[in-house]
Amino acid sequence: AQSVTQLDSQVPVFEEAPVELRCNYSSSVSVYLFWYVQYPNQGLQLLLKYLSGSTLVESINGFEAEFNKSQTSFHLRKPSVHISDTAEYFCAVSYSGAGSYQLTFGKGTKLSVIP
Amino acid sequence: GAGVSQSPRYKVAKRGQDVALRCDPISGHVSLFWYQQALGQGPEFLTYFQNEAQLDKSGLPSDRFFAERPEGSVSTLKIQRTQQEDSAVYLCASSFAGTSGRQTQYFGPGTRLLVL
Repeated sequence: AQSVTQLDSQVPVFEEAPVELRCNYSSSVSVYLFWYVQYPNQGLQLLLKYLSGSTLVESINGFEAEFNKSQTSFHLRKPSVHISDTAEYFCAVSYSGAGSYQLTFGKGTKLSVIP
Repeated sequence: GAGVSQSPRYKVAKRGQDVALRCDPISGHVSLFWYQQALGQGPEFLTYFQNEAQLDKSGLPSDRFFAERPEGSVSTLKIQRTQQEDSAVYLCASSFAGTSGRQTQYFGPGTRLLVL
């Protein structure tokens, strides 16, 4: 069965400091990778995704993630966080083949930005 | 344009009560998904519709859970004889087309169900 591991359940970080949220997935031939963000009392919003091509993908608000096939990772990074980045972040994967529409999520990482 | 909407946003039910949760997907989206998010966990897949056809219900936890999308638009997730372990946030998502894992799923705000 497919699985996604987000090792850090909570990450506190000071404002303007860099942050990395880690995500590892179980190996498969072909994967599609997603990061979703969930602000309090809101639904999941797509932050960025990797489908193919360049292994480095970026979001409009300064986040980036790099697909590393050899390490089966898709870590999320931001060089300088803002208070408004406080939210819960979910890594998700879908796989090619039958049932590929199913998203498998990690347990989430709560990012707390400290002023 | 309008996103995915869900109602009610909050539901408190007594154990044994039946509940119905509604999802309005983005207009024109062919695919519709239901996920269950328990406290402190990531969402878990329940079921998938393509138009009105329920193509996958492998994630439904028991036969007390039933979903429908009769006209290929609005969907309802029904839980019969609710149990405390059904307490969770139920998320609905829609995507434009197809069964490909490449499609972005757009999520609604969820319905938070509490069974007492």
